Amino acid sequence: KAGVTQTPRYLIKTRGQQVTLSCSPISGHRSVSWYQQTPGQGLQFLFEYFSETQRNKGNFPGRFSGRQFSNSRSEMNVSTLELGDSALYLCASNRQGGMETQYFGPGTRLLVL
Amino acid sequence: GIQVEQSPPDLILQEGANSTLRCNFSDSVNNLQWFHQNPWGQLINLFYIPSGTKQNGRLSATTVATERYSLLYISSSQTTDSGVYFCAVGSGGGSEKLVFGKGTKLTVNP
Repeated sequence: KAGVTQTPRYLIKTRGQQVTLSCSPISGHRSVSWYQQTPGQGLQFLFEYFSETQRNKGNFPGRFSGRQFSNSRSEMNVSTLELGDSALYLCASNRQGGMETQYFGPGTRLLVL
Repeated sequence: GIQVEQSPPDLILQEGANSTLRCNFSDSVNNLQWFHQNPWGQLINLFYIPSGTKQNGRLSATTVATERYSLLYISSSQTTDSGVYFCAVGSGGGSEKLVFGKGTKLTVNP
């Protein structure tokens, strides 16, 4: 079974631009979560989607948004990029969300100049 | 919110040595997972262990939920064990957001 895939793997943007990241979960997994990892703040939860509905959201500004499609693929969008948005963005999936193993993708490295 | 502390922050070992990594958490949890982050950034799940003991090859983990800590044991370490080990916990019902500790950076020298 294929693992969680994320595209693109690397991205360079400039301040003020917007960016869309994509995540394809493991086949059969309906829950997709997003995390941001920075050297200063560590790994922080962004949001979780299940059956196209956002079920949980972390403490990030409204510039960070996401969605999930009927095939469980998910996208996250960051508008009006700031230098501090430079980070590794990780996507994770599992079958139902909740209390079960999370499987992470390889991540997207975003650099904002 | 729940706080997660991992110790030690850094650990340097010679190949073949054993080690114990600790994770303390501030409130009761119903979800606890250990991950290994490789040098390329990918998080690999090692254990889902909200309570009890599990073993997988040279790795084992124990969570004592009543005392709010978990331990990850690595025996006969290898250079490929190098990387950062994270403990992550969740305490809600239904959808779970994981709260991560700051990690233990393990370096295994040949």
